[in-house]
Amino acid sequence: AQSVTQLDSHVSVSEGTPVLLRCNYSSSYSPSLFWYVQHPNKGLQLLLKYTSAATLVKGINGFEAEFKKSETSFHLTKPSAHMSDAAEYFCVVSYNFNKFYFGSGTKLNVKP
Amino acid sequence: NAGVMQNPRHLVRRRGQEARLRCSPMKGHSHVYWYRQLPEEGLKFMVYLQKENIIDESGMPKERFSAEFPKEGPSILRIQQVVRGDSAAYFCASSPPVGLANTEAFFGQGTRLTVV
Repeated sequence: AQSVTQLDSHVSVSEGTPVLLRCNYSSSYSPSLFWYVQHPNKGLQLLLKYTSAATLVKGINGFEAEFKKSETSFHLTKPSAHMSDAAEYFCVVSYNFNKFYFGSGTKLNVKP
Repeated sequence: NAGVMQNPRHLVRRRGQEARLRCSPMKGHSHVYWYRQLPEEGLKFMVYLQKENIIDESGMPKERFSAEFPKEGPSILRIQQVVRGDSAAYFCASSPPVGLANTEAFFGQGTRLTVV
């Protein structure tokens, strides 16, 4: 069975401080992992993806994520938050690209 | 290459009416996925289709909901006899055929259904 767990439903940081959004997955196979961002009343945009190449993946807008097989984690980080980063973030796992399983989402609030 | 196109963007239906949501995948994509996002919740998988075939409908409610992806034309998510609880954002995604490496699901802007 495959599933993905986002450990925090809400994260609040101050502008200019680091961001950490946590994601753990369970999969019987080697997964593909993705982070998507959804701004209010908008569609979903791909931030980054891991597909068995380098374990440290760099995405758009300064975000990156590290695949850690031993911890079954794929946490999303950014060194310095910007006000425009306020959005909802979804961790997604897929095996063989047949179905994409979404986490429940983490809402990121960025305080001035 | 246009992205995934969903229409309408907003749909209002009265209880008991039918709702039809359309999704045109990206050019060359033969896989379509439908997801539902209830207010204040994450995206929940509903159904996965390839051309003319339903591959996985494990997330579809047992009654009133159906989906199709005909050989020609867009994918349709159909909700019969809508109820207030069907009010949600419905997202469609498409992807290339299985076997192509380094791909992801591309999402449409969603259709926001309001049942009054």
